[in-house]
Amino acid sequence: DAGVTQSPTHLIKTRGQQVTLRCSPISGHKSVSWYQQVLGQGPQFIFQYYEKEERGRGNFPDRFSARQFPNYSSELNVNALLLGDSALYLCASSSGLAGQYNEQFFGPGTRLTVL
Amino acid sequence: GNSVTQMEGPVTLSEEAFLTINCTYTATGYPSLFWYVQYPGEGLQLLLKATKADDKGSNKGFEATYRKETTSFHLEKGSVQVSDSAVYFCALRGSGNTGKLIFGQGTTLQVKP
Repeated sequence: DAGVTQSPTHLIKTRGQQVTLRCSPISGHKSVSWYQQVLGQGPQFIFQYYEKEERGRGNFPDRFSARQFPNYSSELNVNALLLGDSALYLCASSSGLAGQYNEQFFGPGTRLTVL
Repeated sequence: GNSVTQMEGPVTLSEEAFLTINCTYTATGYPSLFWYVQYPGEGLQLLLKATKADDKGSNKGFEATYRKETTSFHLEKGSVQVSDSAVYFCALRGSGNTGKLIFGQGTTLQVKP
């Protein structure tokens, strides 16, 4: 079975631009979470979606937004890009929200570089 | 708030040496604890987990025990291999119906032949 897939693999943008990152969860998984991993640091939680509803939000500005589609895939949007948004963006999927169903499987990530 | 602190790296060991990577946490309630591994150029892979106090997670020769009294979840392996070279992240998930993982800063392990 395919794991979590993310696109694109790499992306280069300039300050002020907008970017959309995409994630497809493991088949049958209904929850998608997004994390930002700045070089040399641990991942930071951005959003979690379950059944197309936002179920959690990290400490990120409103420039960051996300949505989940009926097929459970997800998009992360970042507006007005700043140099500090350069990072590896990780998507994780889980089958549910609670207990053993909450084990998260990570995709390979999208490397965003802002110039 | 909840937080995770890992020992600073990099950790450099010779093949077959004993490995310990320290991890301590701060959390309310009864969090679940995890170790993830990240190989160069890849995403995170779950290495092991423990969901309650005194549980021992184990996988591929790695072990970690959930110690509530010392709020620790140290990662150990008796004999490391060159292929274990990677970045290791300790993480917690708070109690309740949320998937939010809180990660430590990561510890780089380099194993030399």
